[in-house]
Amino acid sequence: DGGITQSPKYLFRKEGQNVTLSCEQNLNHDAMYWYRQDPGQGLRLIYYSQIVNDFQKGDIAEGYSVSREKKESFPLTVTSAQKNPTAFYLCASSMDDRGGQPQHFGDGTRLSIL
Amino acid sequence: GQNIDQPTEMTATEGAIVQINCTYQTSGFNGLFWYQQHAGEAPTFLSYNVLDGLEEKGRFSSFLSRSKGYSYLLLKELQMKDSASYLCAVPTDSWGKLQFGAGTQVVVTP
Repeated sequence: DGGITQSPKYLFRKEGQNVTLSCEQNLNHDAMYWYRQDPGQGLRLIYYSQIVNDFQKGDIAEGYSVSREKKESFPLTVTSAQKNPTAFYLCASSMDDRGGQPQHFGDGTRLSIL
Repeated sequence: GQNIDQPTEMTATEGAIVQINCTYQTSGFNGLFWYQQHAGEAPTFLSYNVLDGLEEKGRFSSFLSRSKGYSYLLLKELQMKDSASYLCAVPTDSWGKLQFGAGTQVVVTP
């Protein structure tokens, strides 16, 4: 079945550690997105990518990094510079980056600090 | 960025109707999305409005007024499984970047 796969489902980070969240899609979508969701809040955009080898900062990019070397993959690294990383991280993709194309979400990764 | 407002929580009984309002201020407006998110799960796409008026999809309908910066999601014949958070989202520019509201938690009681 086509879809978006995020892994791991749960992740724990130690102080000073970088961790990478995986996002893979087999929908042949051009655009991919990373969001962060805190309890009782909406989704906030971290990074997005319209095409391979290109990505743009969202509203809360500080302390995060991404790469888009393949169309199917858009991994997110949470660096030690992100002082409050505990959150629910959601990856999404859409057919393209034009308005009107719905974004489809993976099941998310819950990140906590040890 | 946009200022998107939704009520925090709404409660209704099974079989009833609930209307969730969403107001926004935007530029480069290119439609409005509604998503449903069950607790601990990912959002799922419900509807997209690009023109003014009502779009009906089974028990769910969505309305948009672009001049008023206003939308609502209407849930009819409520079922227990409709208990979830409902998020409205507006594209911030033609690239499909979405600005999400904080979500409205709908609680359906027996």
